[in-house]
Amino acid sequence: QSVLTQPPSVSGAPGQRVTISCTGSSSNIGAGYVVHWYQQLPGTAPKLLIYGNSNRPSGVPARFSGSKYGTSASLAITGLQAEDEADYYCQSYDTRLSGVFGGGTKVTVL
Amino acid sequence: QVTLKESGPVLVKPTETLTLTCTVSGFSLSTGRMGVSWIRQPPGKALEWLAHIFSNDEKSYSTSLQSRLTISRDTSKSQVVLTMTNMDPGDTATYYCARPLSGSDIWSGFSIWGQGIVVTVSS
Repeated sequence: QSVLTQPPSVSGAPGQRVTISCTGSSSNIGAGYVVHWYQQLPGTAPKLLIYGNSNRPSGVPARFSGSKYGTSASLAITGLQAEDEADYYCQSYDTRLSGVFGGGTKVTVL
Repeated sequence: QVTLKESGPVLVKPTETLTLTCTVSGFSLSTGRMGVSWIRQPPGKALEWLAHIFSNDEKSYSTSLQSRLTISRDTSKSQVVLTMTNMDPGDTATYYCARPLSGSDIWSGFSIWGQGIVVTVSS
């Protein structure tokens, strides 16, 4: 059971918008700690997709965006593409547990 | 170009101690406030942060695993070493080393990752 809760899977057709939620608590996201998002393609290491709640590293397409509100955060993919099919993880800091990750969400492009 | 590469045994027996090495290039472990973390991922499961070593040799550990973990570095070899004692089949995972986006802040997001090493715990 991960400290940060994500839906196990989301799906969408090419071109659609999908969102992935990351629900925490008052000891992590709700305490003001930032949220980061990673994309993990099959058989590869995770890649930093969003840092500091809503910032994109150089090279990450603008169709990926992040937001944070209260004890939750979300990742949106606008204009879903076939190459976006991957696992996505949120990450933050918890005052009791130190670094924490979400359980991961598998995005399927229909 | 900054790279990290994990090395170590791919198979360990239950109760044994695991020793993994992360060899870095493109930056110094002792200057520029650059640190390195270890993160693992059991097959089909989520990522789990394990430990971090800062450029000043300060260490930070996962609350749940700190009694079994030791992180250290050899700056002359540009290596970060993780040891985990009393290995169990539940510790079977891909182990990654990773560098934070902001060297002095572990929690700034892990921007550079090694390729990972798959470690299986079995008798």
